[in-house]
Amino acid sequence: DAGITQSPRHKVTETGTPVTLRCHQTENHRYMYWYRQDPGHGLRLIHYSYGVKDTDKGEVSDGYSVSRSKTEDFLLTLESATSSQTSVYFCAIVNGTSTDTQYFGPGTRLTVL
Amino acid sequence: SQQGEEDPQALSIQEGENATMNCSYKTSINNLQWYRQNSGRGLVHLILIRSNEREKHSGRLRVTLDTSKKSSSLLITASRAADTASYFCATGEGAQKLVFGQGTRLTINP
Repeated sequence: DAGITQSPRHKVTETGTPVTLRCHQTENHRYMYWYRQDPGHGLRLIHYSYGVKDTDKGEVSDGYSVSRSKTEDFLLTLESATSSQTSVYFCAIVNGTSTDTQYFGPGTRLTVL
Repeated sequence: SQQGEEDPQALSIQEGENATMNCSYKTSINNLQWYRQNSGRGLVHLILIRSNEREKHSGRLRVTLDTSKKSSSLLITASRAADTASYFCATGEGAQKLVFGQGTRLTINP
């Protein structure tokens, strides 16, 4: 998985609780991404980062916030989780030697009850 | 909204046969990529074709791109059981952002 780890790998939480997912990379890649994957929708971009403290919204950013205070960590926060945010979340990076190809982490399965 | 749309949504073939998946997109692109996802895993990059290329090969994979029709195809030759996976096309629109299609679920029967 290209040196990308995600934590936790599985989480069950209740509606209204805050949740933070972590993506960690060890190779100093500049670009990092958060996607969600749902049946019938493929992967949809939530937020992405192009450097420390530089982030931007993706297609489905409502209800999510991100932070990147260090190159190696990109955090995705659900301020108040809803059942519609039940999904599998993937982090990805762009390899510095190729500005187009993305490499994905193993994913986090989040269930909001 | 999704940029790439794969067709078919599901494909089941016998081992050894060739598998062809198609992807259509709507706007101008810099490149088009194909990814594979095994069940429960992250996506793995297979091949990238740039907008000025028409065909590209990698092992048993052949990708074509027709920018006039805004479509691409992925051909997997001599399929194997290990090719069973979902396959996604993704269009590159610059700024290192990709837009993914919904995927084709490929099953290779022994």
